[in-house]
Amino acid sequence: GDSVTQMEGPVTLSEEAFLTINCTYTATGYPSLFWYVQYPGEGLQLLLKATKADDKGSNKGFEATYRKETTSFHLEKGSVQVSDSAVYFCALILQGGGADGLTFGKGTHLIIQP
Amino acid sequence: GAVVSQHPSWVICKSGTSVKIECRSLDFQATTMFWYRQFPKQSLMLMATSNEGSKATYEQGVEKDKFLINHASLTLSTLTVTSAHPEDSSFYICSARAGRGYNEQFFGPGTRLTVL
Repeated sequence: GDSVTQMEGPVTLSEEAFLTINCTYTATGYPSLFWYVQYPGEGLQLLLKATKADDKGSNKGFEATYRKETTSFHLEKGSVQVSDSAVYFCALILQGGGADGLTFGKGTHLIIQP
Repeated sequence: GAVVSQHPSWVICKSGTSVKIECRSLDFQATTMFWYRQFPKQSLMLMATSNEGSKATYEQGVEKDKFLINHASLTLSTLTVTSAHPEDSSFYICSARAGRGYNEQFFGPGTRLTVL
């Protein structure tokens, strides 16, 4: 079946540090890839997405590139802020019909210290 | 952006009772709603997909008689956990989508269910 693996947390960084959260996937078809963010007490929000190989999704200074050859979609940010503290989920959905629900990774808790 | 609400945000019930959780899309019509379950430190697991006016499609291993889903309107879906037991304690999250395919899913804040 389809699955998403992301690095375990918590990840603790200092403000302005460089961030990488690794995400790899296995899929039975051609997936679209997503990063969701969940701030304390709130629902998941779409952070960015990519629908085909070599596409780069970006939003709020975060970036992730769809790498088909390595089946990866790593999340990066050049300079994190305290407000980026949240739980980040990598997810996929197969294109072309079939299941409509998202397949999620376990989530990575990011803590940014001032 | 689109807003999805869930009610209640947390509920505690006795073993053997039934609990209903509501999921509402507040500012758009949701043709499809999804119900996920999340265990501590684990990923969200899709339980079922419901389309307005039709029966829900359950994922393998999810008991449809225990987790009753009704999507009676374009803005409301309900999940009823029947004859709840302590092992049903979990965090239940719904999402709603306005179209089909890759249209964005908007997530509710979740409902924490504790069964004593």
